[in-house]
Amino acid sequence: EIVLTQSPGTLSLSPGERATLSCRASQSVSNSYLAWYQQKPGQPPKFLIFGASSRASGIPDRFSGSGSGTDFTLTIDRLEPDDFAVYYCQQYDRSPRTFGQGTKVEIK
Amino acid sequence: QVQLVESGGGLGKPGGSLRLSCAASGFTFSDYYMSWIRQAPGKGLEWLSYISDSGSYTKYADSVRGRFTISRDNAKNSLFLQMNSLRGEDTAVYYCARENLVRGVTEGFDIWGQGTMVTVSS
Repeated sequence: EIVLTQSPGTLSLSPGERATLSCRASQSVSNSYLAWYQQKPGQPPKFLIFGASSRASGIPDRFSGSGSGTDFTLTIDRLEPDDFAVYYCQQYDRSPRTFGQGTKVEIK
Repeated sequence: QVQLVESGGGLGKPGGSLRLSCAASGFTFSDYYMSWIRQAPGKGLEWLSYISDSGSYTKYADSVRGRFTISRDNAKNSLFLQMNSLRGEDTAVYYCARENLVRGVTEGFDIWGQGTMVTVSS
């Protein structure tokens, strides 16, 4: 199975700053079949990005995804208070679909 | 609006069974692959199983293969997860999720239910 490793585990930033989250795959993810989700406590995950770089419906352009192969990045520009949450990457290239362990973006 | 609502969670005994349901509304259910995903308390997300739009094709994670069965009733816009031989490590919030359909290809999970809690304990 494809193992996804996210870093850092926790990112401490202030509102207005840029967040850069990394997701590294143990094998190449074909066709950039990688998605990103945001999860807040007590809520289900929210779909942010698919195809490594395509924003889901209604997602502001402050959120951007990039990467290919084994290295992917989620960038959040100008952090807003509502952005502080846990972020997961997920690959859907091969079965089983797998998630990274998450990166927590917390207020500094 | 587009919505998924899970039900059927609760307390199950080790070795016992539970059946989860997921009611879909606001979209043409029969057009979409569907998945079950779980999250143990304080932990990350674990994909468990998916089922094709017609129900003819299913896939499972190793952790649940042979114990859990996914199914659907397109006439009733419903997804199910039959959970047998329950273990303590099955304790989690269980989410149903719609697979995002992009030009005939599924890309990620775009709609999630609120989840239903399953606790396995004697």
